Amino acid sequence: GNSVTQMEGPVTLSEEAFLTINCTYTATGYPSLFWYVQYPGEGLQLLLKATKADDKGSNKGFEATYRKETTSFHLEKGSVQVSDSAVYFCALLYSSASKIIFGSGTRLSIRP
Amino acid sequence: DAGVIQSPRHEVTEMGQEVTLRCKPISGHNSLFWYRQTMMRGLELLIYFNNNVPIDDSGMPEDRFSAKMPNASFSTLKIQPSEPRDSAVYFCASTGGRNEKLFFGSGTQLSVL
Repeated sequence: GNSVTQMEGPVTLSEEAFLTINCTYTATGYPSLFWYVQYPGEGLQLLLKATKADDKGSNKGFEATYRKETTSFHLEKGSVQVSDSAVYFCALLYSSASKIIFGSGTRLSIRP
Repeated sequence: DAGVIQSPRHEVTEMGQEVTLRCKPISGHNSLFWYRQTMMRGLELLIYFNNNVPIDDSGMPEDRFSAKMPNASFSTLKIQPSEPRDSAVYFCASTGGRNEKLFFGSGTQLSVL
């Protein structure tokens, strides 16, 4: 079946460090891929998305590239800030379904 | 727009009591989702509606859980009777397009003692 696997947290980095959060997926066909972010005490919100192979989603300095050959959608940011501390969820939407499947989430903490 | 509105924000109840969680989706959205979030199991989809009709309830844990959407602007998730293992944050989300962008409410923190 369709599933998403992302690296376990927590991930703790210093401010201005480079960030990578790994995400791989299992799906038949060509799903759309997403990263959602959950700030403390809030619901999830869409961070970025990519709908086909080799697409790059970007927002707020974050990027992720849809890699079909490696079935991956890793999240990256060149210089993190304390305000980026949150839980990040990788997700996929299979084209014939109507529901988004979320990974388990990765908690990110940034030290000043 | 006020976004997806959930109530209550916090609910503390005793085992065996009935719990009702409420959700008002964004006006004009035609799909509504109920999720449960716990440390152990992450974010689980319980049920979703399209045009007020339940489409997939395979994630509902057991018969103690039920969900309704009587109209396009209101949905409820009911647990009867509640158990301590139901303690979690319950999120409602809605979308108006091809479900590519979900808008989440702030969640209901449920504690069953």
